[in-house]
Amino acid sequence: ETGVTQSPTHLIKTRGQQVTLRCSSQSGHNTVSWYQQALGQGPQFIFQYYREEENGRGNFPPRFSGLQFPNYSSELNVNALELDDSALYLCASTNGRARSGSGANVLTFGAGSRLTVL
Amino acid sequence: AQRVTQPEKLLSVFKGAPVELKCNYSYSGSPELFWYVQYSRQRLQLLLRHISRESIKGFTADLNKGETSFHLKKPFAQEEDSAMYYCALSFSSASKIIFGSGTRLSIRP
Repeated sequence: ETGVTQSPTHLIKTRGQQVTLRCSSQSGHNTVSWYQQALGQGPQFIFQYYREEENGRGNFPPRFSGLQFPNYSSELNVNALELDDSALYLCASTNGRARSGSGANVLTFGAGSRLTVL
Repeated sequence: AQRVTQPEKLLSVFKGAPVELKCNYSYSGSPELFWYVQYSRQRLQLLLRHISRESIKGFTADLNKGETSFHLKKPFAQEEDSAMYYCALSFSSASKIIFGSGTRLSIRP
Protein backbone atom coordinates (compact mmCIF):
# COMPACT_ATOMS: atom_id res chain seq x y z
CA GLU A 1 0.00 0.00 0.00
CA THR A 2 1.45 3.34 -1.00
CA GLY A 3 0.85 6.60 0.81
CA VAL A 4 0.03 10.06 -0.52
CA THR A 5 2.76 11.48 -2.72
CA GLN A 6 3.09 15.11 -3.77
CA SER A 7 5.26 16.86 -6.31
CA PRO A 8 7.23 19.00 -6.50
CA THR A 9 8.49 19.21 -2.94
CA HIS A 10 9.73 22.78 -3.31
CA LEU A 11 9.32 25.44 -5.95
CA ILE A 12 9.86 29.14 -6.40
CA LYS A 13 7.70 31.34 -8.60
CA THR A 14 7.31 35.04 -9.19
CA ARG A 15 4.20 37.17 -8.80
CA GLY A 16 1.72 36.75 -11.63
CA GLN A 17 2.95 33.31 -12.66
CA GLN A 18 0.92 30.14 -12.59
CA VAL A 19 1.72 26.91 -10.72
CA THR A 20 0.48 23.33 -10.83
CA LEU A 21 0.93 21.00 -7.88
CA ARG A 22 0.34 17.28 -8.13
CA CYS A 23 -0.90 14.63 -5.74
CA SER A 24 -1.27 10.87 -5.93
CA SER A 25 -3.77 9.54 -3.45
CA GLN A 26 -3.21 6.56 -1.20
CA SER A 27 -4.11 3.24 -2.76
CA GLY A 28 -7.82 2.56 -2.27
CA HIS A 29 -8.71 6.21 -1.65
CA ASN A 30 -11.04 8.05 -4.04
CA THR A 31 -11.29 11.47 -2.39
CA VAL A 32 -8.63 14.16 -2.35
CA SER A 33 -8.58 17.37 -0.33
CA TRP A 34 -6.16 20.26 -0.69
CA TYR A 35 -5.04 22.50 2.15
CA GLN A 36 -2.89 25.61 2.36
CA GLN A 37 -0.72 25.96 5.43
CA ALA A 38 0.92 29.31 5.96
CA LEU A 39 3.80 29.60 8.41
CA GLY A 40 2.59 29.27 11.99
CA GLN A 41 -0.98 28.50 10.95
CA GLY A 42 -3.12 25.41 10.76
CA PRO A 43 -4.06 23.89 7.41
CA GLN A 44 -6.77 25.90 5.60
CA PHE A 45 -9.22 23.93 3.46
CA ILE A 46 -9.07 24.85 -0.22
CA PHE A 47 -11.33 22.24 -1.83
CA GLN A 48 -12.08 18.56 -2.10
CA TYR A 49 -12.52 16.28 -5.10
CA TYR A 50 -14.59 13.12 -5.13
CA ARG A 51 -14.88 11.00 -8.26
CA GLU A 52 -13.47 13.77 -10.43
CA GLU A 53 -15.91 16.47 -9.22
CA GLU A 54 -15.40 19.31 -6.77
CA ASN A 55 -17.15 18.36 -3.56
CA GLY A 56 -16.82 21.39 -1.30
CA ARG A 57 -14.70 24.52 -1.31
CA GLY A 58 -13.22 26.81 1.29
CA ASN A 59 -12.79 30.59 1.16
CA PHE A 60 -10.32 30.72 -1.70
CA PRO A 61 -10.70 32.78 -4.89
CA PRO A 62 -11.44 31.20 -8.28
CA ARG A 63 -7.79 31.48 -9.31
CA PHE A 64 -7.35 28.38 -7.14
CA SER A 65 -8.67 25.50 -9.20
CA GLY A 66 -8.27 21.77 -9.28
CA LEU A 67 -8.73 18.55 -11.14
CA GLN A 68 -9.11 14.92 -10.24
CA PHE A 69 -8.29 12.17 -12.69
CA PRO A 70 -9.85 8.72 -13.16
CA ASN A 71 -7.03 7.17 -11.14
CA TYR A 72 -7.98 9.58 -8.30
CA SER A 73 -4.77 11.58 -8.54
CA SER A 74 -5.27 15.32 -8.39
CA GLU A 75 -3.82 18.67 -9.39
CA LEU A 76 -4.04 22.06 -7.73
CA ASN A 77 -3.60 25.03 -10.06
CA VAL A 78 -3.05 28.57 -8.88
CA ASN A 79 -3.13 31.41 -11.40
CA ALA A 80 -1.86 34.96 -11.04
CA LEU A 81 0.29 34.12 -8.04
CA GLU A 82 0.45 36.63 -5.21
CA LEU A 83 3.06 36.95 -2.48
CA ASP A 84 0.53 35.70 0.10
CA ASP A 85 0.23 32.42 -1.79
CA SER A 86 3.60 31.44 -0.35
CA ALA A 87 2.81 28.45 1.84
CA LEU A 88 2.98 24.70 2.25
CA TYR A 89 0.28 23.03 0.16
CA LEU A 90 -0.93 19.76 1.58
CA CYS A 91 -2.84 17.06 -0.18
CA ALA A 92 -4.84 14.53 1.81
CA SER A 93 -6.78 11.52 0.63
CA THR A 94 -9.56 9.46 2.13
CA ASN A 95 -12.01 6.79 1.11
CA GLY A 96 -15.53 7.84 0.26
CA ARG A 97 -17.54 11.00 0.32
CA ALA A 98 -17.37 12.63 3.73
CA ARG A 99 -20.35 12.07 5.96
CA SER A 100 -20.73 12.11 9.70
CA GLY A 101 -19.39 9.10 11.57
CA SER A 102 -18.49 7.24 8.42
CA GLY A 103 -14.75 7.14 8.82
CA ALA A 104 -14.49 8.79 5.45
CA ASN A 105 -13.26 11.89 7.24
CA VAL A 106 -9.97 10.38 8.34
CA LEU A 107 -7.36 12.12 6.21
CA THR A 108 -4.04 10.66 5.08
CA PHE A 109 -1.67 13.52 4.33
CA GLY A 110 1.18 13.91 1.91
CA ALA A 111 4.43 15.63 2.84
CA GLY A 112 3.42 18.80 1.04
CA SER A 113 4.70 21.12 -1.67
CA ARG A 114 6.37 24.26 -0.41
CA LEU A 115 5.67 27.21 -2.69
CA THR A 116 7.58 30.45 -2.45
CA VAL A 117 6.32 33.42 -4.43
CA LEU A 118 8.81 36.26 -4.95
CA ALA B 1 -19.50 30.23 11.10
CA GLN B 2 -17.68 27.06 11.95
CA ARG B 3 -14.45 27.59 13.79
CA VAL B 4 -11.87 25.66 15.78
CA THR B 5 -9.91 27.50 18.44
CA GLN B 6 -6.73 26.33 20.09
CA PRO B 7 -5.87 29.08 22.56
CA GLU B 8 -2.31 27.98 23.33
CA LYS B 9 0.38 28.29 20.69
CA LEU B 10 2.93 26.64 22.95
CA LEU B 11 2.58 24.35 25.94
CA SER B 12 5.68 23.28 27.83
CA VAL B 13 5.50 20.67 30.62
CA PHE B 14 7.94 18.42 32.43
CA LYS B 15 8.20 14.74 31.68
CA GLY B 16 5.76 12.83 33.86
CA ALA B 17 3.45 15.81 34.35
CA PRO B 18 -0.16 15.81 33.11
CA VAL B 19 -0.92 17.39 29.76
CA GLU B 20 -4.08 19.10 28.56
CA LEU B 21 -4.27 20.68 25.12
CA LYS B 22 -7.36 22.84 24.78
CA CYS B 23 -9.70 22.90 21.81
CA ASN B 24 -13.00 24.72 21.46
CA TYR B 25 -15.23 24.70 18.44
CA SER B 26 -18.23 26.57 17.14
CA TYR B 27 -20.79 24.59 15.17
CA SER B 28 -24.51 24.32 15.77
CA GLY B 29 -24.97 20.83 14.36
CA SER B 30 -23.45 17.44 15.17
CA PRO B 31 -19.71 17.72 14.76
CA GLU B 32 -17.08 15.08 14.31
CA LEU B 33 -13.90 16.03 16.14
CA PHE B 34 -10.34 14.88 15.63
CA TRP B 35 -6.85 15.44 16.93
CA TYR B 36 -4.05 15.32 14.38
CA VAL B 37 -0.37 15.34 15.30
CA GLN B 38 2.80 16.24 13.46
CA TYR B 39 6.07 14.94 14.89
CA SER B 40 9.34 16.51 13.83
CA ARG B 41 10.13 15.79 10.17
CA GLN B 42 7.00 13.66 9.78
CA ARG B 43 3.67 14.13 8.06
CA LEU B 44 0.50 15.30 9.68
CA GLN B 45 -1.32 12.21 10.91
CA LEU B 46 -4.46 11.28 12.80
CA LEU B 47 -4.02 10.82 16.54
CA LEU B 48 -7.60 10.12 17.57
CA ARG B 49 -11.23 10.87 16.80
CA HIS B 50 -14.05 11.33 19.25
CA ILE B 51 -16.37 8.68 17.82
CA SER B 52 -13.74 6.00 18.40
CA ARG B 53 -13.62 6.70 22.13
CA GLU B 54 -10.19 5.13 22.35
CA SER B 55 -6.91 6.01 23.98
CA ILE B 56 -3.99 6.42 21.60
CA LYS B 57 -0.43 6.65 22.98
CA GLY B 58 -2.02 7.37 26.36
CA PHE B 59 -4.00 10.34 25.02
CA THR B 60 -7.75 10.69 25.41
CA ALA B 61 -10.22 13.38 24.38
CA ASP B 62 -13.83 13.78 25.39
CA LEU B 63 -16.35 15.73 23.37
CA ASN B 64 -18.24 18.14 25.62
CA LYS B 65 -21.12 19.50 23.58
CA GLY B 66 -22.27 21.80 26.38
CA GLU B 67 -18.92 23.55 26.51
CA THR B 68 -18.20 22.92 22.80
CA SER B 69 -14.81 21.57 23.75
CA PHE B 70 -12.64 18.62 22.79
CA HIS B 71 -9.59 18.89 24.99
CA LEU B 72 -6.74 16.39 24.59
CA LYS B 73 -5.36 14.89 27.79
CA LYS B 74 -2.60 12.61 28.93
CA PRO B 75 -1.90 11.87 32.60
CA PHE B 76 1.89 11.47 32.32
CA ALA B 77 3.78 13.23 29.52
CA GLN B 78 6.67 11.51 27.77
CA GLU B 79 9.47 13.15 25.81
CA GLU B 80 8.28 11.52 22.58
CA ASP B 81 4.99 13.43 22.91
CA SER B 82 6.75 16.61 21.81
CA ALA B 83 5.03 17.59 18.57
CA MET B 84 2.56 19.97 16.94
CA TYR B 85 -1.04 19.11 17.72
CA TYR B 86 -4.04 20.23 15.66
CA CYS B 87 -7.68 19.96 16.61
CA ALA B 88 -10.01 19.48 13.63
CA LEU B 89 -13.75 19.59 12.98
CA SER B 90 -15.81 17.89 10.32
CA PHE B 91 -19.42 18.89 9.69
CA SER B 92 -22.19 16.39 9.28
CA SER B 93 -23.48 17.90 6.05
CA ALA B 94 -20.30 19.20 4.49
CA SER B 95 -17.23 17.63 3.05
CA LYS B 96 -14.55 19.80 4.51
CA ILE B 97 -12.51 19.42 7.65
CA ILE B 98 -11.28 22.58 9.29
CA PHE B 99 -8.27 22.80 11.57
CA GLY B 100 -7.28 24.95 14.48
CA SER B 101 -4.06 26.91 14.43
CA GLY B 102 -2.23 24.24 16.41
CA THR B 103 -0.44 23.91 19.75
CA ARG B 104 3.21 23.05 20.00
CA LEU B 105 3.73 20.66 22.92
CA SER B 106 7.22 20.61 24.35
CA ILE B 107 8.12 18.03 26.99
CA ARG B 108 11.05 18.98 29.17
CA PRO B 109 13.24 16.19 30.59
